[in-house]
Amino acid sequence: EPEVTQTPSHQVTQMGQEVILRCVPISNHLYFYWYRQILGQKVEFLVSFYNNEISEKSEIFDDQFSVERPDGSNFTLKIRSTKLEDSAMYFCASSRTGPSSGNTIYFGEGSWLTVV
Amino acid sequence: AQTVTQSQPEMSVQEAETVTLSCTYDTSESDYYLFWYKQPPSRQMILVIRQEAYKQQNATENRFSVNFQKAAKSFSLKISDSQLGDAAMYFCAYRSAGGNEKLTFGTGTRLTIIP
Repeated sequence: EPEVTQTPSHQVTQMGQEVILRCVPISNHLYFYWYRQILGQKVEFLVSFYNNEISEKSEIFDDQFSVERPDGSNFTLKIRSTKLEDSAMYFCASSRTGPSSGNTIYFGEGSWLTVV
Repeated sequence: AQTVTQSQPEMSVQEAETVTLSCTYDTSESDYYLFWYKQPPSRQMILVIRQEAYKQQNATENRFSVNFQKAAKSFSLKISDSQLGDAAMYFCAYRSAGGNEKLTFGTGTRLTIIP
């Protein structure tokens, strides 16, 4: 069964450093997402991406964050200058068709980011 | 904005018994989708079941079924014949059908299975 894959599974970084989290969505999917989950809290939407551009972003997704689909298979989340409060599990997700179809969003296994 | 409420932070059930997890939501939309996701200790988010709001029939997937009450804005998950592998956090989630793409999650219910 096709899966969303994410790397790294766990990364420790120093405050102020740049971090890139990588994802390979399911191959025939067109919509891509990043969510995050701070330990002990609920899953929060960060950004959605379609047709090589951001289609929606939350208030969490400020100028420190960016997303890119550099080569048609990978989908990356970059945090420019990490802060302690960026420590969280980051989930990549994808879906095949648009939101009006209500199609299911499939999640990767997450990348656990620890900022020290 | 839509909100999703899970009022049971923790639940426990004896193995082989049935348990129901509650979820309510608030929306002004008439067309939307509801989901239950399972998050085991590995922290992966696994889809358990989904329900389209326009369908009156409750969704079922093997031992998992939902009780969807649209007027009451309630979407509970029933797990029958509970198994040890069902132990996890369960998140209820809402997704608009009208163009808003994001999933809005509840705070989750931690389910413990007692052998």
